[in-house]
Amino acid sequence: KAGVTQTPRYLIKTRGQQVTLSCSPISGHRSVSWYQQTPGQGLQFLFEYFSETQRNKGNFPGRFSGRQFSNSRSEMNVSTLELGDSALYLCASSLAPSKIGEQYFGPGTRLTVT
Amino acid sequence: DAKTTQPPSMDCAEGRAANLPCNHSTISGNEYVYWYRQIHSQGPQYIIHGLKNNETNEMASLIITEDRKSSTLILPHATLRDTAVYYCIVRVDNQGGKLIFGQGTELSVKP
Repeated sequence: KAGVTQTPRYLIKTRGQQVTLSCSPISGHRSVSWYQQTPGQGLQFLFEYFSETQRNKGNFPGRFSGRQFSNSRSEMNVSTLELGDSALYLCASSLAPSKIGEQYFGPGTRLTVT
Repeated sequence: DAKTTQPPSMDCAEGRAANLPCNHSTISGNEYVYWYRQIHSQGPQYIIHGLKNNETNEMASLIITEDRKSSTLILPHATLRDTAVYYCIVRVDNQGGKLIFGQGTELSVKP
């Protein structure tokens, strides 16, 4: 079974631009969560989607948004990029939100903002 | 905020057991203890979780003290591929996909 895939793997943007990252969950998984990882703040929860609905949201500004499609694929968008948004963005999928012990992470998208 | 305390780093000799401690003195009765690890440049990987009984799977064993204020993750025969950052997380089971990660323990397995 294919794992969680994230595209692109690497991305370079400039301040003020916007970016869209994509996550394809494991086949059959309907829950997708997003995390940001930086050296200073570590791994921080962004948001979670299940059945195209946002179920949970972390403490990030409104510039960070996401959505989930009917095939469970998810995208996250960051508008008006800032230098501090440079990070590894990880998504994780599971069958359902309650199946946390069966949550699988993708390899991440490395975003660099210059 | 993370509710756990872990040593920032540990070393272990290859082939020996790696014992990674975690303090969670404020854990509630309905909170589980989860362990994940992150190998460099990869996404975190689920290892094991438990409520109050000790647990074992093909990857590791989890020992939770009787008062549940601390736990130990045991990798019985550490290999070089076990070098990673190990995260101990406590959470209730109905929080969906949200995980609150602390700083973790960086385990270095040395030949």
